[in-house]
Amino acid sequence: GEDVEQSLFLSVREGDSSVINCTYTDSSSTYLYWYKQEPGAGLQLLTYIFSNMDMKQDQRLTVLLNKKDKHLSLRIADTQTGDSAIYFCAERGGSGNTGKLIFGQGTTLQVKP
Amino acid sequence: KAGVTQTPRYLIKTRGQQVTLSCSPISGHRSVSWYQQTPGQGLQFLFEYFSETQRNKGNFPGRFSGRQFSNSRSEMNVSTLELGDSALYLCASSFHGDRVYEQYFGPGTRLTVT
Repeated sequence: GEDVEQSLFLSVREGDSSVINCTYTDSSSTYLYWYKQEPGAGLQLLTYIFSNMDMKQDQRLTVLLNKKDKHLSLRIADTQTGDSAIYFCAERGGSGNTGKLIFGQGTTLQVKP
Repeated sequence: KAGVTQTPRYLIKTRGQQVTLSCSPISGHRSVSWYQQTPGQGLQFLFEYFSETQRNKGNFPGRFSGRQFSNSRSEMNVSTLELGDSALYLCASSFHGDRVYEQYFGPGTRLTVT
């Protein structure tokens, strides 16, 4: 089946690194995504990784993928108060050319000054 | 380029009524997906449209329906509203043919059913 799990809450100090973890079940997932949601807003696509990659870096964001363990993580370097938000990981569900995304429950990131 | 727009942003309806929500995708995007977000169930996929055809459907009752027009704009309809339909309804658009399938979300419509 398709299921995505995340821890619900993470608190860090400004300037520290944040690591948000996610596990997924569908081994046929080709792309895995990270989205950010700020209060009262929709979802903002942060980054994604293709399943044949182990790592992807995009400025302060680093995505690590362990396909064997079906584990995905998002590292935010030099975390700022503006990074406080809910972070969702998502896998592309279904077969073929589909836009269906399966989301985790979201991790609330709290950044303390 | 303008982002995904959704109207209305906020809506209050009474149980038993029906509601129609609208979504305008990013110019050039032909695929539109709808999601329901609630505190209890999180983000759940409702359906996906491409070229005026429903390509994928989530596990929701038949009271939830949608359509897409020739200009790629999409609407979703919920009939016989229930209290549990109170949620943030999010629309996302993507460029068909892009294998990454980057989905860009609108700000959502906050529906409250009383």
